Amino acid sequence: NAGVTQTPKFQVLKTGQSMTLQCAQDMNHEYMSWYRQDPGMGLRLIHYSVGAGITDQGEVPNGYNVSRSTTEDFPLRLLSAAPSQTSVYFCASSRGVGEQFFGPGTRLTVL
Amino acid sequence: AQKITQTQPGMFVQEKEAVTLDCTYDTSDPSYGLFWYKQPSSGEMIFLIYQGSYDQQNATEGRYSLNFQKARKSANLVISASQLGDSAMYFCAMRQETSGSRLTFGEGTQLTVNP
Repeated sequence: NAGVTQTPKFQVLKTGQSMTLQCAQDMNHEYMSWYRQDPGMGLRLIHYSVGAGITDQGEVPNGYNVSRSTTEDFPLRLLSAAPSQTSVYFCASSRGVGEQFFGPGTRLTVL
Repeated sequence: AQKITQTQPGMFVQEKEAVTLDCTYDTSDPSYGLFWYKQPSSGEMIFLIYQGSYDQQNATEGRYSLNFQKARKSANLVISASQLGDSAMYFCAMRQETSGSRLTFGEGTQLTVNP
């Protein structure tokens, strides 16, 4: 099993550009989440999903969209990138409400 | 609202000694879970240990144990026999029954193990 995979690992955007961060898991987990981690801080929840076709907002959803068309994939879309979205983005998945498995992260810089 | 507090921005410990990393939480939900994650300088998030609010005994996983004091709302991580490889950022996190799989994280404690 590959676990949770994220692409790309690094990305540089200009203000106003859009892009999609990819996340996939091969563990058949129903729960998937996106977090962001700013320097010196813990992770904050952006969006999450409890199953295919079901998504909801987390703590810091503004500027981001998600969709969950399959159990495996949970892409995060930045609609119009801003410097405040410079961060490290982590995707996570879990079976039920137990341990969350994290992907390796995507380091995003918005100029 | 749920909240996690880690009051130690940085901690230092000598190799082979034990160290306790503090975590307090605030929730009104009777059912919740507490997690500790390790984040080394390479950046990945590594699950260490889990404690459920109804668990009667403190969780242990190898050199890691969780000192769970429910009345005080604390869930401190104890690392025994510290190793140089334990140097990392450590995060405490909480999940409430009503919030599904969503985790709320503390701000972390940077642990440095000295030789």
